[in-house]
Amino acid sequence: AQSVTQLDSQVPVFEEAPVELRCNYSSSVSVYLFWYVQYPNQGLQLLLKYLSGSTLVKGINGFEAEFNKSQTSFHLRKPSVHISDTAEYFCAVSPDAGGTSYGKLTFGQGTILTVHP
Amino acid sequence: GAGVSQSPSNKVTEKGKDVELRCDPISGHTALYWYRQSLGQGLEFLIYFQGNSAPDKSGLPSDRFSAERTGGSVSTLTIQRTQQEDSAVYLCASSLVGLEGPGGTQYFGPGTRLTVL
Repeated sequence: AQSVTQLDSQVPVFEEAPVELRCNYSSSVSVYLFWYVQYPNQGLQLLLKYLSGSTLVKGINGFEAEFNKSQTSFHLRKPSVHISDTAEYFCAVSPDAGGTSYGKLTFGQGTILTVHP
Repeated sequence: GAGVSQSPSNKVTEKGKDVELRCDPISGHTALYWYRQSLGQGLEFLIYFQGNSAPDKSGLPSDRFSAERTGGSVSTLTIQRTQQEDSAVYLCASSLVGLEGPGGTQYFGPGTRLTVL
């Protein structure tokens, strides 16, 4: 089984400041890692994902995340945020192999990022 | 191209009534998922369909919940004898997991907001 912990439920920042949204996971098997974003009154959209290879993953809208296997973390970062980045961000994992959990996403509780002018 | 669509967008029902929620996945996507998003529980996996394989129903919260996928395309999630705790946003997602493996991007629909009075 997998579990995901997003350490901050809310993160307020000022425009053009850097931001880091923290995510830690627990799993008995190897996993793939994802960050999704949900803008107000919209559906979930994939920001980025780590499947294999380089541990630094770049996504859309200037976001990036780094997979740290030893710390079981996948923190999301952006060097300079915009008002339009205000949204809820979800970290998720899925097993990387077959079996009954194939492809199933386990989500964290979400982090609400609010960017102030 | 067309994304994942869900209907209705909003559903208000009385406690004890049955409801049906519909999902139209992206054409050609082999995998279809249902998730539930609620204030208390966050985003939870409900059920997963992959091709002609038996569905993974491990996330269904009770036997009042069922789902089917006809012809490998459209899916219907049925909740019988609805309870107030069933109030949530029900999200559907589809992916090319059969081709991309378990890390295939899941594309989410806009959701159906269910309110049980």
